Order: sequence, then structure tokens, then C-alpha cells
Amino acid sequence: NAGVMQNPRHLVRRRGQEARLRCSPMKGHSHVYWYRQLPEEGLKFMVYLQKENIIDESGMPKERFSAEFPKEGPSILRIQQVVRGDSAAYFCASSMGFQETQYFGPGTRLLVL
Amino acid sequence: GENVEQHPSTLSVQEGDSAVIKCTYSDSASNYFPWYKQELGKGPQLIIDIRSNVGEKKDQRIAVTLNKTAKHFSLHITETQPEDSAVYFCAGEGSSYKLIFGSGTRLLVRP
Repeated sequence: NAGVMQNPRHLVRRRGQEARLRCSPMKGHSHVYWYRQLPEEGLKFMVYLQKENIIDESGMPKERFSAEFPKEGPSILRIQQVVRGDSAAYFCASSMGFQETQYFGPGTRLLVL
Repeated sequence: GENVEQHPSTLSVQEGDSAVIKCTYSDSASNYFPWYKQELGKGPQLIIDIRSNVGEKKDQRIAVTLNKTAKHFSLHITETQPEDSAVYFCAGEGSSYKLIFGSGTRLLVRP
């Protein structure tokens, strides 16, 4: 059973470009969470999605960031017009349902030049 | 607000000794407390978790204790080995089941 998959593993963007990060949950999991980790810091919650629904987006910046989890395909975290402060590791986690254990993917390391 | 504090930020122990990491949380409604191990360049890996209906849970060399009254929980690693060296994160379950993470403890096990 494959774990949570994220791609790309590394992404380099110039200021003003768009970044798209993908997350495929574990088989049988329909809940996805996105977290951001700045260097030498803990993980900060961004958004929680179920298939076709955003459950909690209280950790998402109000501008430039969006997330979706369509009926078919991976969850996408999209960052428009990236700035240097967006450079971080972005982790996706999935779970089978509410209050179930969250399993993390390997992360996408975004570097904004 | 929802907050988890973790101490110490770094911990160095001799191989074979025990290591203890402590966390406190603010949200009395939290009922689930996982611990994750993160190695360099990798994602967090769940090593043990505890729910509020139990006070202690053990899995081989790893144990977690929970004190709901005092709102703190701890990770205990016995007979440490060099491969235990990593960053360890505690977390508490916040509203809508998101995880609120501590700031991490960098554990170094000296051979």
C-alpha cells in the first residue's frame, strides 16, 4: 500500500510565478491536510479538505493561496505570484476520516528566487 | 487560542541512556496527541499517539504519558540508539481535527 505521495519533491520558482503542489493521499483516504514548515520550525496548519469540500482553511493566507481536492485526481495547493517568503517545505497528510491518524507525505520543498 | 509548547529544543544523550521530551497544550478540548519523528529531508513519521481516555501507552522502547488535568504529555525513549537521532514533534488535536504542532526537539544520540 503506497503511502502519501507528493510531487514535485523540489520546486524552484522566480518571484511572481505560480507554484502548483500535488498530493495523492493513501489508498482509501478521503481527507487531506496541508501544512507548511519554515526552516528550523514546526509545522503550521494551512487547510483541511475532503473530496470536493474545504472543511477548514483557517491557516491559509487570505491572498494568493488556494487549495482543492477534486472528485478525481490529487489535491492541489496553488500559490500565485510567489514571493521569497513563500519558500518553505509544504507537507500533505491524509487520513481515513475525522479524528483518524494523519500520515504525512515526503513534502515539496519550494524555493523562490 | 490553540497552542502547543515543547521542551527542550535540543537534547543530547549518550547511547543507551533515556531521553524525555515534554509538551504542554492550551486547548482543554484536545483529545488526541501524536508524536512524529522527522529525519533530514523527509516527512514526519508517526511513532506513537495517545488519546485522552488513557494515561500511558508503550511501544517497545517508546512510551507516552498524558496528564489531562495539567494539560501536558511526554515522550520517553529508553535505551537510545544513534538511529534515534532526529527531530521529534509533539502535536495536539485542534478544532476541526487539524494538528497543532510543537516547535520540535532535535535529539542527538552520541555513540
